[in-house]
Amino acid sequence: GAGVSQSPRYKVAKRGQDVALRCDPISGHVSLFWYQQALGQGPEFLTYFQNEAQLDKSGLPSDRFFAERPEGSVSTLKIQRTQQEDSAVYLCASSWGKETQYFGPGTRLLVL
Amino acid sequence: GDSVTQMEGPVTLSEEAFLTINCTYTATGYPSLFWYVQYPGEGLQLLLKATKADDKGSNKGFEATYRKETTSFHLEKGSVQVSDSAVYFCALSESGNNRLAFGKGNQVVVIP
Repeated sequence: GAGVSQSPRYKVAKRGQDVALRCDPISGHVSLFWYQQALGQGPEFLTYFQNEAQLDKSGLPSDRFFAERPEGSVSTLKIQRTQQEDSAVYLCASSWGKETQYFGPGTRLLVL
Repeated sequence: GDSVTQMEGPVTLSEEAFLTINCTYTATGYPSLFWYVQYPGEGLQLLLKATKADDKGSNKGFEATYRKETTSFHLEKGSVQVSDSAVYFCALSESGNNRLAFGKGNQVVVIP
């Protein structure tokens, strides 16, 4: 079946621009996660949804980062007024409850 | 907070050699432990996992044993192939907490 998909795969933004990154989880997966992976590092947790409820947003690095999942399926991670330090790969993962997380291919964001 | 430490630096070895990648963890409770693999150009994939002490996870010839006494989850494979070239990440998930905490990853290069 279809896995987790993310779009766009690559995004170049000028400093100060707003960006929106989309995640389509595996159909029926209740849990959805966003991670940020800097170059040469492991992924770092950003936020977690169970259905449409955002249960944990403790990893969001600043109030410029905002995530939503209004209908409990597709999720969008929005970054306002992008900074160079926001350049990273943004990974989305989904799971059925507390089971194995399945990752998407990621969106590589470059802020110039 | 919870954390995972992987050995420093890339690993380069010849085909059919024995592979070990060290992983130690710090956690307040009883975490589940994972190895994820990222092949070139692909997303993170679960390689194996163990959910309690003394459990052994195994897949594709890889093995790792959950050692509570040494807080370790070292990855091993007896005879590597060129196709095993990838980045390997150790991760943990605390009980009652869905998010994953990752190590920095190890690049493994297998030379024919």
